[in-house]
Amino acid sequence: AQSVSQHNHHVILSEAASLELGCNYSYGGTVNLFWYVQYPGQHLQLLLKYFSGDPLVKGIKGFEAEFIKSKFSFNLRKPSVQWSDTAEYFCAGSNDMRFGAGTRLTVKP
Amino acid sequence: GAVVSQHPSWVICKSGTSVKIECRSLDFQATTMFWYRQFPKQSLMLMATSNEGSKATYEQGVEKDKFLINHASLTLSTLTVTSAHPEDSSFYICSAEGDGTYEQYFGPGTRLTVT
Repeated sequence: AQSVSQHNHHVILSEAASLELGCNYSYGGTVNLFWYVQYPGQHLQLLLKYFSGDPLVKGIKGFEAEFIKSKFSFNLRKPSVQWSDTAEYFCAGSNDMRFGAGTRLTVKP
Repeated sequence: GAVVSQHPSWVICKSGTSVKIECRSLDFQATTMFWYRQFPKQSLMLMATSNEGSKATYEQGVEKDKFLINHASLTLSTLTVTSAHPEDSSFYICSAEGDGTYEQYFGPGTRLTVT
């Protein structure tokens, strides 16, 4: 079945550490992929999206993601996290609007 | 821009009653809206896809007679939980897709508690 999966359930980092959250998809054909963030007490917001073209996508707040077709991956990265990045991160595919299980990121000050 | 609202934000109802939740796109027209359910500390579970002027498409395992979805206009979709039971207590979130963008804009969610 088509799906999006996230394998990191909870990631704990110190401020200034680098971040990489995994996302794998199982779609064939055209792929539209997204990363959303949900800060505590707030609703989902779009971080970045990939439709086609440059596989390295830059989003808001210093986040980026790389689409690697051969690995069916769309990992989210940030070179230096801040305490304010503490949130739940969801990878999603638009082919059937399914979300990954989410990764909770905790950044310690 | 691209704001989606939900009403109510929080509702408590008695078992056996019905509850209607509204989802509105405030500053854009949404041909497609989605309804999700989110359990505590879990991801969003897609319940149904709602297209303006047509019947909603429900995901496997979602009872269409229990969760009635109406998308009567390009800015409004409603979810009615009929004959609610305590196990229906959850956080219900809607999203609206910008025309042709594939990007979803999310509402703030509605917390339903069935007693």
